[in-house]
Amino acid sequence: EVQLVESGGGLVQPGGSLRLSCAASGFPFGGYEMKWVRQAPGKGLEWVSYISSSGGRINYADSVKGRFTISRDNAKNSLYLQMNSLRAEDTAVYYCVTSSFSEYDPPDYWGQGTLVTVSS
Amino acid sequence: QSVLPQPPSASGTPGQRVTISCSGSSSNIGSNYVYWYQQLPGTAPRLLIYRNNQRPSGVPDRFSGSKSGTSASLAISGLRSEDEADYYCAAWDDSLSGVVFGGGTKLTVL
Repeated sequence: EVQLVESGGGLVQPGGSLRLSCAASGFPFGGYEMKWVRQAPGKGLEWVSYISSSGGRINYADSVKGRFTISRDNAKNSLYLQMNSLRAEDTAVYYCVTSSFSEYDPPDYWGQGTLVTVSS
Repeated sequence: QSVLPQPPSASGTPGQRVTISCSGSSSNIGSNYVYWYQQLPGTAPRLLIYRNNQRPSGVPDRFSGSKSGTSASLAISGLRSEDEADYYCAAWDDSLSGVVFGGGTKLTVL
């Protein structure tokens, strides 16, 4: 059974940093692309970042480009999101997701999410 | 403003059939697969439809998806109270090199 478990969320002040982690199990992690998707309170879903299976291809939404860094450790079956210069508008539940079909498919597997709150 | 506009709300009575639309462009829906998700309050999105019209195991056949050109729709027949939720469409966007989502449709079962 595919499992994606996020951790690392919490309360951080504007301008601060936070590192999210996602522990994957139940599938060959090293062969799958991974993405982060977020959802602000009461709002819709927003794609944040993408990383290819090898880590060689990475992309970001314009809203986080230059502030967030996605990475992965295939040996540890883990995905990460380093978030710097956080703003109030980054407050959201962050989901670790993947597609079992291709990197060009929206996700079919989702974690339970971790809440990031940016506030003073 | 969402890249894939959806109606903000929809409603129906038990047993009715409702449809939710999702509008896109040639860079997303027009050239890539459409997915649909159901989200209950406080939970992660649940996959309802993948690759335009395929249902994962466990999803009732009351749910169906279709795509035509740059638009897609989700149909729910035999509406039930437990179908009351938010529904989102999604597709890969070639121009953005990322996934784009609809703004979501809140379905109310009257």
